[in-house]
Amino acid sequence: QKEVEQNSGPLSVPEGAIASLNCTYSDRGSQSFFWYRQYSGKSPELIMFIYSNGDKEDGRFTAQLNKASQYVSLLIRDSQPSDSATYLCAGTDRGSTLGRLYFGRGTQLTVWP
Amino acid sequence: DAGVIQSPRHEVTEMGQEVTLRCKPISGHDYLFWYRQTMMRGLELLIYFNNNVPIDDSGMPEDRFSAKMPNASFSTLKIQPSEPRDSAVYFCASRPGGVRNSPLHFGNGTRLTVT
Repeated sequence: QKEVEQNSGPLSVPEGAIASLNCTYSDRGSQSFFWYRQYSGKSPELIMFIYSNGDKEDGRFTAQLNKASQYVSLLIRDSQPSDSATYLCAGTDRGSTLGRLYFGRGTQLTVWP
Repeated sequence: DAGVIQSPRHEVTEMGQEVTLRCKPISGHDYLFWYRQTMMRGLELLIYFNNNVPIDDSGMPEDRFSAKMPNASFSTLKIQPSEPRDSAVYFCASRPGGVRNSPLHFGNGTRLTVT
């Protein structure tokens, strides 16, 4: 059973702080990982993906992947109130470049002014 | 690009009735996915298609659920008969084939309430 587990939160940080969102996965064969953001009542939208060990940066966002520990994280620097949303971590099937995504249940983030 | 289009946006029905959800994927996308989202279980994959062919329906909860994709631009998810526990937001998503790590593009979802 493929699973992606996220710290359920909710997570609350002040404006300007670093928000850290974490995710672990059970299938060691999972190759790629995605972070989606979902505002209340809206559909998920992609923030970034990562498939190599290490860090990947995109603006205020940094994704980190540690395959040995089966751990994925998302750091949001200089958090803004507009970052308040639920963040979903997802992983792909073993050996599949185009297959299913398995989602965690999400971490709700609140950034207060 | 209009994105993934789902209809209806909201559906309220009584237990036992048939419900049909509709999806138009982004033109040119080879993969189409149906997900269900609830507070308790999060976002669950129900079924996905590649080039209109169902590839994996192991997430379909019961025989009451069925999905079709008669052509590249249209898919339906049907629940017959519906039950209150089917109440959830149902998302359709599509992605292109042949591109590694291509993201899923989600529709706006259909919020289903079964009373």
